[in-house]
Amino acid sequence: AQSVTQPDIHITVSEGASLELRCNYSYGATPYLFWYVQSPGQGLQLLLKYFSGDTLVQGIKGFEAEFKRSQSSFNLRKPSVHWSDAAEYFCAVVALNTGTASKLTFGTGTRLQVTL
Amino acid sequence: DTAVSQTPKYLVTQMGNDKSIKCEQNLGHDTMYWYKQDSKKFLKIMFSYNNKELIINETVPNRFSPKSPDKAHLNLHINSLELGDSAVYFCASSQVFHEQFFGPGTRLTVL
Repeated sequence: AQSVTQPDIHITVSEGASLELRCNYSYGATPYLFWYVQSPGQGLQLLLKYFSGDTLVQGIKGFEAEFKRSQSSFNLRKPSVHWSDAAEYFCAVVALNTGTASKLTFGTGTRLQVTL
Repeated sequence: DTAVSQTPKYLVTQMGNDKSIKCEQNLGHDTMYWYKQDSKKFLKIMFSYNNKELIINETVPNRFSPKSPDKAHLNLHINSLELGDSAVYFCASSQVFHEQFFGPGTRLTVL
């Protein structure tokens, strides 16, 4: 079955430091991959997505992610973190595509704390 | 001009009661979803509708019944609420093969 692993439950970085959040997936075919961010008390906002093509994808808020098929990874990066980036980050993969609906499987999330 | 909206935002109720959560999207999408986020922030899909037709129905108790009066609305009715139903419920919508847009969530607390 398709699955997503986010090995880091909680990460703390200093403002201005670089960030990398890890995501590993298990999927037989070419995956559709996403990163979502959830601020406290809020819904999920899409940061970026990978469907095909260039393996380095750019997203909103200065985030990027790199798809590495050989490592089954889709790690999220940001060169300089801002205090407002403190949130919960979820990696997700489309586990099933029926043709009329897509079933997303989410990782367990990584909570990012930013120190000033 | 909220894309995906849910009402209510908070819902506190007693065990055994019946409650509904409403969801509306104005994005013109054909597909809508319900997800449950538990206390450990784990997100799991419950249902998916495409143009009012049930497409995905995960292993969810029969007490949960989605209803889609039209493709812009997907409501979730829960009968005989239990303590374990306490969670945040998210509605989402998408066009197939594209990303899902999530609503702000409904925090359900069962006492």
